[in-house]
Amino acid sequence: EDQVTQSPEALRLQEGESSSLNCSYTVSGLRGLFWYRQDPGKGPEFLFTLYSAGEEKEKERLKATLTKKESFLHITAPKPEDSATYLCAVQPSSGNTPLVFGKGTRLSVIA
Amino acid sequence: DAGVIQSPRHEVTEMGQEVTLRCKPISGHNSLFWYRQTMMRGLELLIYFNNNVPIDDSGMPEDRFSAKMPNASFSTLKIQPSEPRDSAVYFCASSLNENQPQHFGDGTRLSIL
Repeated sequence: EDQVTQSPEALRLQEGESSSLNCSYTVSGLRGLFWYRQDPGKGPEFLFTLYSAGEEKEKERLKATLTKKESFLHITAPKPEDSATYLCAVQPSSGNTPLVFGKGTRLSVIA
Repeated sequence: DAGVIQSPRHEVTEMGQEVTLRCKPISGHNSLFWYRQTMMRGLELLIYFNNNVPIDDSGMPEDRFSAKMPNASFSTLKIQPSEPRDSAVYFCASSLNENQPQHFGDGTRLSIL
């Protein structure tokens, strides 16, 4: 069964304190890995897609990396506006399920 | 650009009533997805459509749930009869095709009393 596990469940950082969020996955074959950001009362907002091990994508203070078993979302010098829940999802290369989501990491950045 | 539009944003109704959730995907997107989000189970895919045709409905909890996509610009998710355990946030998402990033609406928060 395809599975996605995110850790930690919640993370509290001081403004400027860099850290990383983890997404571990087990799939029979990986077509792509997606990162989303979700603010309270809103739908998930697409951030990145990664397709192969070694690939990296960057956007402002966020950088996503991918290995064969996990992905990391690195947050450099975070600001309070980076506070949100970050969701990871994998797209298996077989079967009918387009995306399997993890339960997310709730990030709070304190000024 | 208009994103995915869902209505209503909030719905409170009594057990046993019929509930209809609505979704307008992004114009030009050929794939549409319905999800349910709860604290316990996270985001779960209920059903998805390609070119208005249902492809996988294995996530639909039971026969009380049904979804339709009569045309490329509209879809509904219906629950009849509703039960308290159906209370959740329901999201609709669309994408160019099933392999492209999905874009989500802001959801319908459903409460069944």
